[in-house]
Amino acid sequence: EVQLVESGGGLVQPGGSLRLSCAASGFTFSSYEMNWVRQAPGKGLEWVSYISSSGSTIYYADSVKGRFTISRDNAKNSLYLQMNSLRAEDTAVYYCARDGPAATVTSYYFDYWGQGTLVTVSS
Amino acid sequence: SSELTQDPAVSVALGQTVRITCQGDSLRSYYASWYQQKPGQAPVLVIYGKNNRPSGIPDRFSGSSSGNTASLTITGAQAEDEADYYCNSRDSSGNLSVFGGGTKLTVL
Repeated sequence: EVQLVESGGGLVQPGGSLRLSCAASGFTFSSYEMNWVRQAPGKGLEWVSYISSSGSTIYYADSVKGRFTISRDNAKNSLYLQMNSLRAEDTAVYYCARDGPAATVTSYYFDYWGQGTLVTVSS
Repeated sequence: SSELTQDPAVSVALGQTVRITCQGDSLRSYYASWYQQKPGQAPVLVIYGKNNRPSGIPDRFSGSSSGNTASLTITGAQAEDEADYYCNSRDSSGNLSVFGGGTKLTVL
């Protein structure tokens, strides 16, 4: 059974840092691209970042570029999101999500999601 | 602002058919995927690609696309289908992912 379990959320002051983790199990983690997606309270979903299976290709949403860093450790079956210079608008539930295995150049999707971890940026 | 546009809210009578739409220029090049999210839960994939359903998703859910518009159709809506629905695809660059603003579906 595929499982994605996020951790590391919490309360942090504006300008502070936090590192999120996503522990993967039930599949060959090193074969899959991964993403972070967030959802501010009462708001919609916002894609945050993508990392390829090897970690060689990375993309970020404009809203977090230069402040957030995605990484992975395939030996530990883990995905990470280092968040620096946090702002109030970064307050959200952060989900890790797996790229679907049948993705093509015209069809991308997230087939499994974790339950999320809440990040609150407030003084 | 989102590059994918969805109606904020749609309602449907129990057992009737409802279509939820998603508009965006990138949909001329990329298929949309659709996610169902109930309160306090993580999103769940319901449709991807041309019209593919993951295992466990009822066949009353279907997807289609025409021009710059992708659609999620629920044929014979059930009470348990009441949820928020989000479309997702690529942005105009093709590298970044983008979600629509979401549609709140009410089953009357």
